[in-house]
Amino acid sequence: NAGVTQTPKFQVLKTGQSMTLQCAQDMNHEYMSWYRQDPGMGLRLIHYSVGAGITDQGEVPNGYNVSRSTTEDFPLRLLSAAPSQTSVYFCASSYNAGQAYEQYFGPGTRLTVT
Amino acid sequence: AQSVAQPEDQVNVAEGNPLTVKCTYSVSGNPYLFWYVQYPNRGLQFLLKYITGDNLVKGSYGFEAEFNKSQTSFHLKKPSALVSDSALYFCAVRADGSSNTGKLIFGQGTTLQVKP
Repeated sequence: NAGVTQTPKFQVLKTGQSMTLQCAQDMNHEYMSWYRQDPGMGLRLIHYSVGAGITDQGEVPNGYNVSRSTTEDFPLRLLSAAPSQTSVYFCASSYNAGQAYEQYFGPGTRLTVT
Repeated sequence: AQSVAQPEDQVNVAEGNPLTVKCTYSVSGNPYLFWYVQYPNRGLQFLLKYITGDNLVKGSYGFEAEFNKSQTSFHLKKPSALVSDSALYFCAVRADGSSNTGKLIFGQGTTLQVKP
């Protein structure tokens, strides 16, 4: 199993541009989520999904959209990039959300918005 | 509101000495507690978790953690530190009230530096 994969690994955007961060998992996990990591702030939840076709907002959802058309994929879209979105983005998955299953994290995407 | 605090930004220990990375939490309901480790330029890796039962939980790479309900703490420990343990460590909590969302609340992280 490849686990959780993310592309791209690095990205530089200009203010106002849009892009999609890709996330895929091959473990047949129901639950997937997106976090951003900023220095001294830990990880903050952006959006999550408890199953295909179901998504919801996390702690910091503004400026981001998600969709979950398949169990495997959970892309994160930046609608109009802003410098405040410069961060490292992690996708994670777990068996489901109803039990205390640990989450498996992807390697991350380092995004810089100029 | 649920929260996690890791009071130390950095912990320094000598190789071979015991290490402790502190974590306290605040939740309503029963907590599910996790420790993750992050090596440079990598994603987070799961170390261990407390769900219920024995207050001393054993995890990967020789790490263990002690759950203390009265002190609302979940400190990470290892009897003998290795230089390769140097990394960023995150404590996280999920209250059973959020069982339908799977949301994890993370602490800000503690950098562990093990010196030879």
